[in-house]
Amino acid sequence: DADVTQTPRNRITKTGKRIMLECSQTKGHDRMYWYRQDPGLGLQLIYYSFDVKDINKGEISDGYSVSRQAQAKFSLSLESAIPNQTALYFCATSGPSWGGGPDTQYFGPGTRLTVL
Amino acid sequence: QKEVEQNSGPLSVPEGAIASLNCTYSDRGSQSFFWYRQYSGKSPELIMSIYSNGDKEDGRFTAQLNKASQYVSLLIRDSQPSDSATYLCAKNSNSGYALNFGKGTSLLVTP
Repeated sequence: DADVTQTPRNRITKTGKRIMLECSQTKGHDRMYWYRQDPGLGLQLIYYSFDVKDINKGEISDGYSVSRQAQAKFSLSLESAIPNQTALYFCATSGPSWGGGPDTQYFGPGTRLTVL
Repeated sequence: QKEVEQNSGPLSVPEGAIASLNCTYSDRGSQSFFWYRQYSGKSPELIMSIYSNGDKEDGRFTAQLNKASQYVSLLIRDSQPSDSATYLCAKNSNSGYALNFGKGTSLLVTP
C-alpha cells in the first residue's frame, strides 16, 4: 500500500461548490504539505503543518483552507471553487532525517481537480 | 525574482550522453537542496539531496552545489530514454522544512 494517499484522484466540479481533498499517510511523519501544480509553473505551496496544532499559510493560500484532523490526516478545502483553481494538487509529508540530514518530502499520487 | 530558477527546456540529449541540468537560487541562507524527477501526470520523486558544497554521486546521478555562486546542478550520465521527464530543483524555504520549487526542466533523451 502507498505511504501517502490522496482522495479523490480526479474530481470535476462547478463554480461555487465546496470541495474537500483528503490526504492520509502511514509514514509516521509530523509534517504535511499541500501544493498545487499548474502547467509550466512548478509546484506552489498552499499550506503546511508541522504538527496537529500548527498550521501555516504558504505562497498561495487565498481561496483555500486546511484541517489537520490527526497526525496522519491533512485535508484541503476550497470553500467556493473557481475555474482558476483547476490544477493538479499534491499532498506531501516529511519527517526528521536520522543523522541530522535534510528532510525529504514524499508526495502522494495527486488529485486532478477541474472546476467548470 | 523567483527563489529558484530553472530553464524550462526542453533539453534534448542523445541516448548514452550526459545530461546537465542547472538551477540557481536567490537566498544565500538556503541550506538544503533537492532534485526531484516527475513523469507526466505523476507525482515528484526524490533523486538526490545535497547540502554541502561539492559533488554528491549516486549511481548515474551527480548533484553539484556551489553556495558562493548560488547554483545547483544535476548530471545524468549514460542517459536513457526512461530518464525523459521533468526535473524539479528545490531548496528549503525560510520556514526551514517547506520547499521552494523551480518550474522544472523538461529532459528528452532520444534513442
